[in-house]
Amino acid sequence: EVQLVESGGGLVQPGRSLKLSCAASGFTFSNYYMAWVRQAPKKGLEWVATISTSGSRTYYPDSVKGRFTISRDNAKSSLYLQMNSLKSEDTATYYCARDVLTTGFDYWGQGVMVTVSS
Amino acid sequence: EIVLTQSPTTMTASPGEKVTITCRASSSVSYMHWYQQKPGASPKPWIYETSKLASGVPDRFSGSGSGTSYSLTINNMEAEDAATYYCQQWNYPSRTFGGGTKLELK
Repeated sequence: EVQLVESGGGLVQPGRSLKLSCAASGFTFSNYYMAWVRQAPKKGLEWVATISTSGSRTYYPDSVKGRFTISRDNAKSSLYLQMNSLKSEDTATYYCARDVLTTGFDYWGQGVMVTVSS
Repeated sequence: EIVLTQSPTTMTASPGEKVTITCRASSSVSYMHWYQQKPGASPKPWIYETSKLASGVPDRFSGSGSGTSYSLTINNMEAEDAATYYCQQWNYPSRTFGGGTKLELK
């Protein structure tokens, strides 16, 4: 059974940093692109980042480019999101998801809440 | 960046009714994925590659479309179908979601 379990969320002040983790199991992690998707309270879904199987290629929307960094450790079957210079508008539930072009985001974690507030 | 516009943003339907949700892309895309999300839960893959149902999705659901116009249809609305539905596309290197359509039971 595929499982994605996020951790590392919490309350952080504007301008500070936070790192999220996602532990994957139930599939060969190194064979899949992985992604982070977020959802602000009462809002829709927003793609945040995608990383290739080896980690050599990363993709971001303009809203987080230069502030967020996605990375992975295939030996640990783990995905990460380093978030720097956090803003109030980054407040959201962050989901880890498996990213397959032909089937979309086909597995999702339960999500982790990040609140950016002073 | 391709923008996806869903309509309607909210709607109500009675049991047995036919429901259609549309998703329009600002430029042509190759296919569309759809997700279902219920309050307090993670999104679930629902339809992929425009018309293929994800595992466990009832066959009263269907998807269609091409180019810039796509749709999700429910034949014979059931109570369990009340949820928010999102479309999503991939256009290298970005992925984008539509704003969502909240479907409520009348």
